Amino acid sequence: DAMVIQNPRYQVTQFGKPVTLSCSQTLNHNVMYWYQQKSSQAPKLLFHYYDKDFNNEADTPDNFQSRRPNTSFCFLDIRSPGLGDAAMYLCATRSGGALKWGYTFGSGTRLTVV
Amino acid sequence: AQTVTQSQPEMSVQEAETVTLSCTYDTSESDYYLFWYKQPPSRQMILVIRQEAYKQQNATENRFSVNFQKAAKSFSLKISDSQLGDAAMYFCAYKGNTGNQFYFGTGTSLTVIP
Repeated sequence: DAMVIQNPRYQVTQFGKPVTLSCSQTLNHNVMYWYQQKSSQAPKLLFHYYDKDFNNEADTPDNFQSRRPNTSFCFLDIRSPGLGDAAMYLCATRSGGALKWGYTFGSGTRLTVV
Repeated sequence: AQTVTQSQPEMSVQEAETVTLSCTYDTSESDYYLFWYKQPPSRQMILVIRQEAYKQQNATENRFSVNFQKAAKSFSLKISDSQLGDAAMYFCAYKGNTGNQFYFGTGTSLTVIP
């Protein structure tokens, strides 16, 4: 059973048109992450939540915002997408017990900007 | 952000042979966690193995084992008896003991030759 679900799998948006990507988790964990991964590159941490506490990385552009209305859901809002924002966006949460914990990722949303 | 470096952008291994992927990191923390994640083409990020910095014993998970050298800030992954399904991007990742940020290295693309 999928524990981190990202919708949609593929998203096409127009240059400058706001877009929202969604993520939900069934693990009920208090931490959730958003990463941007461009082709053949490492995932880059954009921000994370600890409960409702929002933690932005210093180099995350203001164009990227996030909302977490409850424990299960987290949204990534891109206010004015540019061509350079085309990427895979990954959501993750922590999983596993005290001895075997790690991070579980969703399948990602591939964003195309036209 | 912590720095995680993988000096081998690409590696290849013959099926059934052993391969070692390198990772170095930079941190001022004394306690932290290190991970290896696998990302097959167009597929989900999967946890391979985790190491706690306070443990001297190297972690092992079936055919996967690590060589953790804390003083050298080195964390390599050894894959024994390589299988075709091991072909993927491998990312080394770091999480400090304080805060929830979780950072990836630059990645190594592993090809398994039949």
